[in-house]
Amino acid sequence: RKEVEQDPGPFNVPEGATVAFNCTYSNSASQSFFWYRQDCRKEPKLLMSVYSSGNEDGRFTAQLNRASQYISLLIRDSKLSDSATYLCVVTTNYGGSQGNLIFGKGTKLSVKP
Amino acid sequence: DTEVTQTPKHLVMGMTNKKSLKCEQHMGHRAMYWYKQKAKKPPELMFVYSYEKLSINESVPSRFSPECPNSSLLNLHLHALQPEDSALYLCASSQGLNRGYEQYFGPGTRLTVT
Repeated sequence: RKEVEQDPGPFNVPEGATVAFNCTYSNSASQSFFWYRQDCRKEPKLLMSVYSSGNEDGRFTAQLNRASQYISLLIRDSKLSDSATYLCVVTTNYGGSQGNLIFGKGTKLSVKP
Repeated sequence: DTEVTQTPKHLVMGMTNKKSLKCEQHMGHRAMYWYKQKAKKPPELMFVYSYEKLSINESVPSRFSPECPNSSLLNLHLHALQPEDSALYLCASSQGLNRGYEQYFGPGTRLTVT
């Protein structure tokens, strides 16, 4: 089982739509969770950290379910500029070191006019 | 300011060349990272430095040699690369290695080995 799994998409949605991405992780000892977005041929940019209580930043809402080991990202009122690949990222211990990011393969979102 | 800078933006090198990639951050971060990213794949961790000391080497071939001259700078020295090493090389930094710290990425160097 892969450490972090995401539906690769693509998700093709019209402007204004609400879209949700899910991500599952295999290591129950994982401690920190993030969503990054990556535009084509650009670097990943931190979108938001994900907390157990859930968190919201404008049109974006992230949720964490530790019992089921999944993370979600909800985007409301989609904009053309939201088109990107969304990377689910988890940190876990291995090799005696902490804080290393484990990336999912990403979910591609395409918002159409 | 969450800026990480990388130079050069693009690099084309032959298999016998020696070149270096540079990364800089002025956020006071004490952990710095090198990642390699191939097209349509997520970034793969190569090296981690914490407080200017190499903390992790993910079994990277010796033709890649990292260096951390000070807390703001991270270099990646390249020698005798192979065409399959062509990729986007990303540098990142974080406050420390604690698992809660967010990593911030530079724009990357797009490397082509001919």
